[in-house]
Amino acid sequence: QSVLTQPPSVSAAPGQKVTISCSGSSSNIGNNYVSWYQQLPGTAPKLLIYENNKRPSGIPDRFSGSKSGTSATLGITGLQTGDEADYYCGTWDSSLSAGGVFGGGTKLTVL
Amino acid sequence: QLQLQESGPGLVKPSETLSLTCTVSGGSISSSSYYWGWIRQPPGKGLEWIGSIYYSGSTYYNPSLKSRVTISVDTSKNQFSLKLSSVTAADTAVYYCARRILVYDSSGYNNWFDPWGQGTLVTVSS
Repeated sequence: QSVLTQPPSVSAAPGQKVTISCSGSSSNIGNNYVSWYQQLPGTAPKLLIYENNKRPSGIPDRFSGSKSGTSATLGITGLQTGDEADYYCGTWDSSLSAGGVFGGGTKLTVL
Repeated sequence: QLQLQESGPGLVKPSETLSLTCTVSGGSISSSSYYWGWIRQPPGKGLEWIGSIYYSGSTYYNPSLKSRVTISVDTSKNQFSLKLSSVTAADTAVYYCARRILVYDSSGYNNWFDPWGQGTLVTVSS
């Protein structure tokens, strides 16, 4: 069982918007920054969002991140079929002695 | 452009030690700004952080694996390595190495992994 809770799956039509939630606690999300990763089928995870809402170079502004209290949200607008992937949130957990933790992952289906 | 590549045996017998190496190219592993980490993903499951190392040799391990894990660094070869002892079938996974950025400010720890290696599947079976 993951320390961070994500919905197992979400779906939306091409062109629509979707949000993926990541719920934690005060020992992780509540007092630390959140990052998000996209894992396309058969590939390694790729950084999408860091420092709660910053996008690395090359990540389109269709992807956005936000954080409020002990939860974080990844938003994707203008959905494309190429966005079908697993998405993971990650953060630091102060109860794990310098540990990184990830959510269980959310499978995005673009219908 | 920084690249990471995992290497090591794809098959390990139960009770033996899993050994993997990550070779870093396009940048120095001795940079004071970064840590280097291992993450694994069992087939069909999510990501699990294994541990991280600083170029000086300081290590941080997932408490659930700490008794079996050793991560080391060889700055002369621009490599870092993972050893996981007493493996069982539950350790079958794709193992990824990644650069870890870890900084602290008044808002907390800021921690992310980028880039990642392509991953290597390690199967534990007799």
